[in-house]
Formats: sequence, C-alpha cells, structure tokens
Amino acid sequence: AQSVTQPDIHITVSEGASLELRCNYSYGATPYLFWYVQSPGQGLQLLLKYFSGDTLVQGIKGFEAEFKRSQSSFNLRKPSVHWSDAAEYFCAVGVTGGFKTIFGAGTRLFVKA
Amino acid sequence: GAGVSQSPRYKVTKRGQDVTLRCDPISSHATLYWYQQALGQGPEFLTYFNYEAQPDKSGLPSDRFSAERPEGSISTLTIQRTEQRDSAMYRCASSLGRGEYNEQFFGPGTRLTVL
Repeated sequence: AQSVTQPDIHITVSEGASLELRCNYSYGATPYLFWYVQSPGQGLQLLLKYFSGDTLVQGIKGFEAEFKRSQSSFNLRKPSVHWSDAAEYFCAVGVTGGFKTIFGAGTRLFVKA
Repeated sequence: GAGVSQSPRYKVTKRGQDVTLRCDPISSHATLYWYQQALGQGPEFLTYFNYEAQPDKSGLPSDRFSAERPEGSISTLTIQRTEQRDSAMYRCASSLGRGEYNEQFFGPGTRLTVL
C-alpha cells in the first residue's frame, strides 16, 4: 500500500540557517510527489511537485526538493530560513491514475530568532 | 471565486446531530476533493467529484458520511448521527481537471467538534 512517512514531528531552526525536512514514500510505480505548506488558519499551499525528469525541483519561496529513487525519499530543503517559513509542511504522493493524494503526518517547523 | 471557500469555518455540535459542511470551489475547476484531517495528522482522502459525478467514495469512513455536488460547482459533505470520533478538520480542494498533473487548491477548512 502507498504511504508517506515524515520522520520528524517538529523541527526548530535558527533564522538564516539551512533547513532539510525529510520525506520517505512507499509506492510501487513511479511516484508523483508533492510538498505542501500549511500556515495557521490557511489552506494547504503547493510548494513544489515532481512528476519526472530532473530529480532536483525548484519551488516557490526559495524551496527545493530532491527525488532519490534509491532511497525512496523526497526531502525538502531551503538554504536560509526566514521567520515567515514557520508553518507545517506536508509531503504527499499522488496515486497514478489520478485522483487520490496520500499525505504524510506533517512536520511542524519552528524558527527561532 | 478567487479561491476555495468553506463554511462554516467552525462547527460545534452534539453527538447524534447531523451536520452539513459546504465547499465553494474555484469557479473554473472541474474536480473537487474532500479530506478529513485529524489533529496532528495529514489530510486523508474522503471522496472526489468530477463535475457532478462522484467516481470514488472509498475514503468515506462509514455510511453516515455522504457528499453531493448536484450542479458541478458547490459541494456539501453531510455527516449524519455525528460521533465524537468525527471531530476533525474537514478540507475541500479543487483542481482544473482530474489527476496528479493538476494542482489542488485547498480551502481553509471547517473545524468540526462533536461534544
């Protein structure tokens, strides 16, 4: 069965420091992978997605993610975190054939001054 | 509309009551999704619509849950005889078309509390 694991429930980083949020997936075929961000009181917003091609994908707000098939991972990175990045981040896999998206449990990011 | 809207934003009800949640998708979007998000968890797929058709209801937890989209635009999610375990955030999303290629735009959610 398809699943998404985000091993870190929460992470704290200092403003200006680099960030890596981990995501591992389980899926039999080529996955369609997503990262979403959820700010308090807001809906989820798509940061970036991977369907095929270049395994390093760029997203909005300076985020990037790298697809590593051998590790079944799709980790999210940002070189320098801003206080406004504090939010909850969800990794997700889209089931081939179209309509179902499976989300991880999320990682809450705290940014300290 | 400019984005996906949901109403009410908060709903408190007593166990055994029926509740209806509403989703107003982006006007040009053919596909609409409902998710349930428990505290500390990611959204879990409930069902989706392609216009007014509802091809998959497999994520609905029980027959107390039903959803409609009669004219292919606004959708409602109804929970009958609510139970405390139904307490969660209910999120709606819409996309231009069906499928993984189509970005889903999420509404702010309805927080349901069943006492």
